[in-house]
Amino acid sequence: AQSVTQLGSHVSVSEGALVLLRCNYSSSVPPYLFWYVQYPNQGLQLLLKYTSAATLVKGINGFEAEFKKSETSFHLTKPSAHMSDAAEYFCAVSVNTGNQFYFGTGTSLTVIP
Amino acid sequence: DAGITQSPRYKITETGRQVTLMCHQTWSHSYMFWYRQDLGHGLRLIYYSAAADITDKGEVPDGYVVSRSKTENFPLTLESATRSQTSVYFCASSPDGMNTEAFFGQGTRLTVV
Repeated sequence: AQSVTQLGSHVSVSEGALVLLRCNYSSSVPPYLFWYVQYPNQGLQLLLKYTSAATLVKGINGFEAEFKKSETSFHLTKPSAHMSDAAEYFCAVSVNTGNQFYFGTGTSLTVIP
Repeated sequence: DAGITQSPRYKITETGRQVTLMCHQTWSHSYMFWYRQDLGHGLRLIYYSAAADITDKGEVPDGYVVSRSKTENFPLTLESATRSQTSVYFCASSPDGMNTEAFFGQGTRLTVV
């Protein structure tokens, strides 16, 4: 079975500071990994995805994530936070042998001016 | 309009009533999903469908019914609504398997009183 753990349900950073949102996964087979962002009263939209190509994945809005198999992690980073980055972020995992996406419980990012 | 559309966006219903949430996608994606989003739980899969006339249970299917007679529609019915089903419901679709991302609707906020 697959599962996702997001460490920290709330993260606050100052504007211009590094954003680091943590995601660890559990999977018995090679996973596909995703980060989604949800703005208030909206659906989820894809930030980036890892599908077994390059381990460093670049996404939209300056975000990137690195797949580390040895650590079973897929942490999301952005060098410099912007006020518009304030949102809920979800990590998700899927596998080719399954029919589901498994989501973490989400991390709410607050950006302090 | 192209994309995935959920209706209604907001719904208040009484305990014991039947209510149906609609989901329509214009991409002809094979997979469709229903999630509920609750504080502290993230997104939990209710039901999914791999193709027309093929549906399967997710993590929290009790009290819900789905059907998929056409590829583009995937309605979710609460047969007898309970207060514990108060939630935000998201429909999503995916083209052809778990290595591609899911595309989400805007959500339906359902309140059961």
